[in-house]
Amino acid sequence: DAMVIQNPRYQVTQFGKPVTLSCSQTLNHNVMYWYQQKSSQAPKLLFHYYDKDFNNEADTPDNFQSRRPNTSFCFLDIRSPGLGDAAMYLCATSRTGGVVILQPQHFGDGTRLSIL
Amino acid sequence: AQTVTQSQPEMSVQEAETVTLSCTYDTSENNYYLFWYKQPPSRQMILVIRQEAYKQQNATENRFSVNFQKAAKSFSLKISDSQLGDTAMYFCAFVDQTGANNLFFGTGTRLTVIP
Repeated sequence: DAMVIQNPRYQVTQFGKPVTLSCSQTLNHNVMYWYQQKSSQAPKLLFHYYDKDFNNEADTPDNFQSRRPNTSFCFLDIRSPGLGDAAMYLCATSRTGGVVILQPQHFGDGTRLSIL
Repeated sequence: AQTVTQSQPEMSVQEAETVTLSCTYDTSENNYYLFWYKQPPSRQMILVIRQEAYKQQNATENRFSVNFQKAAKSFSLKISDSQLGDTAMYFCAFVDQTGANNLFFGTGTRLTVIP
């Protein structure tokens, strides 16, 4: 089945040690999103790629970066994780643009990041 | 700026009963979409139902239906014949027709279905 896959499911890193989360999709969607979701809160959009164009939300910390080497893969890099970055990170995809009827976002299972 | 408000942090319902989750939103846009997403414990967020703002008819998906009141900017979700598998966090979300389909989420309602 076509889907959005996030690896790993659980990630533990040390305070200040860089970490990379990955997301892949088989839906061939042109837009990919990264959300941060803290316990009992709504997902918060960090950034998204519209095709190859990177779009950063205004309040996303500089500590968070992203790469999209091709249509299928997108990475979230946290350069120096702090305790406040412990959260669930959700990847989502969508097909949009032109006269395409709006497609809802498809989410991965998420990666739960813990900071020691 | 778009805002989405869910005023019920937690709700519970007896199995087989009906429950309604509330959602209001604020926008100056005329064309937009509204969604309800379900996030079961430790599981993937999935789409429950969607509504296009230009459609007057309320969307329905099996046991799930919405009451969309555009003038009041209200978008409630009704779950009929509640099942144990409906236990989850429910997020109301808004997206306008500009740009890349960015979702604005409400804070969520935790629904528990009681056997």
